[in-house]
Amino acid sequence: AQSVAQPEDQVNVAEGNPLTVKCTYSVSGNPYLFWYVQYPNRGLQFLLKYITGDNLVKGSYGFEAEFNKSQTSFHLKKPSALVSDSALYFCAVRDGTGGYNKLIFGAGTRLAVHP
Amino acid sequence: EAGVAQSPRYKIIEKRQSVAFWCNPISGHATLYWYQQILGQGPKLLIQFQNNGVVDDSQLPKDRFSAERLKGVDSTLKIQPAKLEDSAVYLCASNPSRDFYNSPLHFGNGTRLTVT
Repeated sequence: AQSVAQPEDQVNVAEGNPLTVKCTYSVSGNPYLFWYVQYPNRGLQFLLKYITGDNLVKGSYGFEAEFNKSQTSFHLKKPSALVSDSALYFCAVRDGTGGYNKLIFGAGTRLAVHP
Repeated sequence: EAGVAQSPRYKIIEKRQSVAFWCNPISGHATLYWYQQILGQGPKLLIQFQNNGVVDDSQLPKDRFSAERLKGVDSTLKIQPAKLEDSAVYLCASNPSRDFYNSPLHFGNGTRLTVT
């Protein structure tokens, strides 16, 4: 079965510093990987995806993610964190079992950016 | 384009009562999903529709949960009777096709259910 793991419940970073939110995956076949962000009392917003091609994927709000096949990781990164980046971040993987695609989500990582 | 609409935003009920949630996906989106997000956990798929047909309800507790998408557009999710452990945010999502290659899932803002 396809799955993703987010090993950190919370990540704390100072504003202006680089941030990394970790995700590892377990899939059979080629992975389709995604990052979503959730602000309080809101639904999930798409940030970026990796399907094929360049291992460094750029997304919304200055975020990027690096796909690493040998380490089965897809870490989310940003060179300079903003206080407004504070939110809940979810890594997800496509599960195409049965011919219909769905997303399997990790447990989430809370990012806190301090002024 | 208008996003995925969900109502109500919040609902508080007592255990053993029934409740219904409504979702209107983005116009033209054939695939509709209902996810359950319990506090501190990632969203878990409950049911997936392709147009008006169910294609995956393996995680739906069918003894108490039901869902329909009669005309292949909007959808309702019902819980009857509710249990304390059903307290969660119920998220609706839609996608224009069966794949995620060109378009990711679009989520509504969810309905927060509290069962007391």
